Amino acid sequence: DTAVSQTPKYLVTQMGNDKSIKCEQNLGHDTMYWYKQDSKKFLKIMFSYNNKELIINETVPNRFSPKSPDKAHLNLHINSLELGDSAVYFCASSHLQREAFFGQGTRLTVV
Amino acid sequence: GIQVEQSPPDLILQEGANSTLRCNFSDSVNNLQWFHQNPWGQLINLFYIPSGTKQNGRLSATTVATERYSLLYISSSQTTDSGVYFCAVEPAGGSQGNLIFGKGTKLSVKP
Repeated sequence: DTAVSQTPKYLVTQMGNDKSIKCEQNLGHDTMYWYKQDSKKFLKIMFSYNNKELIINETVPNRFSPKSPDKAHLNLHINSLELGDSAVYFCASSHLQREAFFGQGTRLTVV
Repeated sequence: GIQVEQSPPDLILQEGANSTLRCNFSDSVNNLQWFHQNPWGQLINLFYIPSGTKQNGRLSATTVATERYSLLYISSSQTTDSGVYFCAVEPAGGSQGNLIFGKGTKLSVKP
């Protein structure tokens, strides 16, 4: 019974395409996040949603857009994919600023 | 912004050995977590430890918030302990839940 699940696990696509990564949490948490892990394993936050409101938006290109249909889901849409977008994207969730739990990651490769 | 420094960057151990990983941070924090990223890329929660000491089996962690550091102890290491260990902090007064990650300690345990 996975707490934070994201799909797909692997995504290979061509430059210029639009793609989405889905994330769902069944922990009843109030905040969900997207993090990016680059080729050097460095993890950096991209977005977070609290009660369907965006509360963090780091300096990411506007080609990236989070969409939250409800508290349990935070999907990541990426338009006009570029080679530099290749990375591992992690979804996470937490409740009341406490412990964050991460999904298994989505490895995105842009060719 | 807050700086999170982990040491050592790389560590090679013989199975059965003990080790200590360190995380220094440059400002006050609300939250500190330790994660293990296994060779398959999963981020596994080890400890949520903004202050004090916790133990879980062969692992224990101590955070001294007033001195801005945290330590992760691994005793009787096993090959399955291999991977990258990340420290992540939520700066006090920062955006809710925004975890800032260190660059990690890569641990290799040899049989």
